[in-house]
Amino acid sequence: QKEVEQNSGPLSVPEGAIASLNCTYSDRVSQSFFWYRQYSGKSPELIMSIYSNGDKEDGRFTAQLNKASQYVSLLIRDSQPSDSATYLCAFGRTYKYIFGTGTRLKVLA
Amino acid sequence: KAGVTQTPRYLIKTRGQQVTLSCSPISGHRSVSWYQQTPGQGLQFLFEYFSETQRNKGNFPGRFSGRQFSNSRSEMNVSTLELGDSALYLCASSFRRGTGELFFGEGSRLTVL
Repeated sequence: QKEVEQNSGPLSVPEGAIASLNCTYSDRVSQSFFWYRQYSGKSPELIMSIYSNGDKEDGRFTAQLNKASQYVSLLIRDSQPSDSATYLCAFGRTYKYIFGTGTRLKVLA
Repeated sequence: KAGVTQTPRYLIKTRGQQVTLSCSPISGHRSVSWYQQTPGQGLQFLFEYFSETQRNKGNFPGRFSGRQFSNSRSEMNVSTLELGDSALYLCASSFRRGTGELFFGEGSRLTVL
C-alpha cells in the first residue's frame, strides 16, 4: 500500500465549477497535511496547510481533513483556467514529508 | 521575506561530469531538503539537512551527496553524471522538521547529454 494515494487524473471541470481533489494516506500518526500546486515546468507552491480535523478555508480554496478516515481533500470553488495545474498532497511524519504523485486538474474555459 | 533561492536555474552537463547545486533557505529555516523530480516519477526525496547534519536520506546512490553550512545554506553534488540524472532538482526549507510548512525554491533543471 502506498503511503499517499492520489488519483492522477486528469480531472476536468468547467470554468466556474467546484473542483474536488482527494488524497488518502496510510500513516495514522501524521500531524500535518499540505496541498501544493505545481504548474508545468515550475516548482511546487504551497497553497494550504491543515493540522486539525475539519475544514480550513482560504479564499477559493478549502482543505478538509478527516484523520479517522485518513483522507484530506481540497475544494477549489469558482475554478478558473489559471487553476489548471498538478496538485500534490503531502503529509508530515517523524521529521519527514511524504508526497503524493499529484492530480492533474484541467479547467475548461 | 525572501524565499528559497536555488542556483543555477539551468545547466547542461555531459555524462561523467559532476555538478554542484546551491540552495539558500528562507531566513530562520534550518531544515533543508532536496528532491529530484522527473516526468512521471513525482517528487523523489534525496536527503534532508538540519544543523549541518544529514538527518534523513532517500534511496539514491552514493553519487548523490550534500552538505549544509553553518548559515543553513546547502549544496548538493552529483558525481559521474548519467543520462538518467536529467531532472528538476528542488530544494525546500522549513522551520519545523516534518510538521512545519515546507517551501520550495524554483529548482535547478539539469540536463545530461
